[in-house]
Amino acid sequence: AQTVTQSQPEMSVQEAETVTLSCTYDTSESNYYLFWYKQPPSRQMILVIRQEAYKQQNATENRFSVNFQKAAKSFSLKISDSQLGDTAMYFCAYNRDDKIIFGKGTRLHILP
Amino acid sequence: GAVVSQHPSWVICKSGTSVKIECRSLDFQATTMFWYRQFPKQSLMLMATSNEGSKATYEQGVEKDKFLINHASLTLSTLTVTSAHPEDSSFYICSAPKVPEDTQYFGPGTRLTVL
Repeated sequence: AQTVTQSQPEMSVQEAETVTLSCTYDTSESNYYLFWYKQPPSRQMILVIRQEAYKQQNATENRFSVNFQKAAKSFSLKISDSQLGDTAMYFCAYNRDDKIIFGKGTRLHILP
Repeated sequence: GAVVSQHPSWVICKSGTSVKIECRSLDFQATTMFWYRQFPKQSLMLMATSNEGSKATYEQGVEKDKFLINHASLTLSTLTVTSAHPEDSSFYICSAPKVPEDTQYFGPGTRLTVL
């Protein structure tokens, strides 16, 4: 079975600090996609970053970057220079054949 | 990016009635769409895969007669909660994959409250 595990239910960091959210997954496939989605209080799911498993280079999107360790099946998200607007629920997700499997999420609080 | 809309954004209904929720891909076509349910402070749970022109595929434990799905066109999928009961109250979210990005784009969700 494909599973996604986020071991940090909740985190708090000060504004402008860097924070890393952990994610591990389990799959027997060799080609797949990994995502981090953000769900702010509005509950709209917003794509933060995506990683294709066959690409060794870690994806980056402005202040957001990932540390993708394929052998270890680890996919952590780093948020640099955190901002108040980053406060949200963050979901790690695995996608193959269009079916998305979500982790349970990490609630991130950015403190002023 | 891509835009997926849902309608209505919230609905309140009486127990025993049926409620229809629409999911539309506004600027791309989607042969498949997905319906999720989210309880407060929990993750998204995949309910079913909506397939254009064919029957939906339901996840284990989801009652297909309770949650009717119709995917009548390449831009519209509907979820009908039949004979709704208070335990059906939840937040329902749809998504659609945009090829060739292989990225799911999500609707804003529909909050259903059954009295």
